[in-house]
Amino acid sequence: AQSVTQLDSHVSVSEGTPVLLRCNYSSSYSPSLFWYVQHPNKGLQLLLKYTSAATLVKGINGFEAEFKKSETSFHLTKPSAHMSDAAEYFCVVSGITGGGNKLTFGTGTQLKVEL
Amino acid sequence: EPEVTQTPSHQVTQMGQEVILRCVPISNHLYFYWYRQILGQKVEFLVSFYNNEISEKSEIFDDQFSVERPDGSNFTLKIRSTKLEDSAMYFCASGGDYNEQFFGPGTRLTVL
Repeated sequence: AQSVTQLDSHVSVSEGTPVLLRCNYSSSYSPSLFWYVQHPNKGLQLLLKYTSAATLVKGINGFEAEFKKSETSFHLTKPSAHMSDAAEYFCVVSGITGGGNKLTFGTGTQLKVEL
Repeated sequence: EPEVTQTPSHQVTQMGQEVILRCVPISNHLYFYWYRQILGQKVEFLVSFYNNEISEKSEIFDDQFSVERPDGSNFTLKIRSTKLEDSAMYFCASGGDYNEQFFGPGTRLTVL
């Protein structure tokens, strides 16, 4: 069984300050982990993924995440928030099956960026 | 840049009617998925499809649901007799390998 827990349902930051969105996972296997972003009325866009290579993963738009096995965490960070980063962010864990890869989503973190 | 497309963007139907949601995955992708997101809830896996057959389905995906890849380019989700609780945003995704999924913009289904 696999699951993810996003520890904050809402995060509010000022523009230009760092962003930290927290995620803990549970998986019976060596997991693959992802962060997706959903802007209002838009689809789900892949930000970055971890698949057992480097533990520090860089994604699009300046985001990165670090896989920490000892803490079962995969937190998303960005050094400096931009207004356009305001969106909902989903931490996702995968479960490899015979013919595909079922994704299990967290409940999401709504990021608000203020001037 | 190639992307997954879905039609229609919004579908309104009466309870008990059949609906077909359509998706055009990224060309050359081999893995196909449907997910749904009920308003205010998290995104849930429905079904995965590979090599022209269902590879996994969730408990949500009961006999009222079916998927098809009729012509090598489209990937459809059919709900035979819609219920009020089927109202949700339905997302199609495709992947070139088992470890990536690119999502479409979604179809909002409203059952009245």
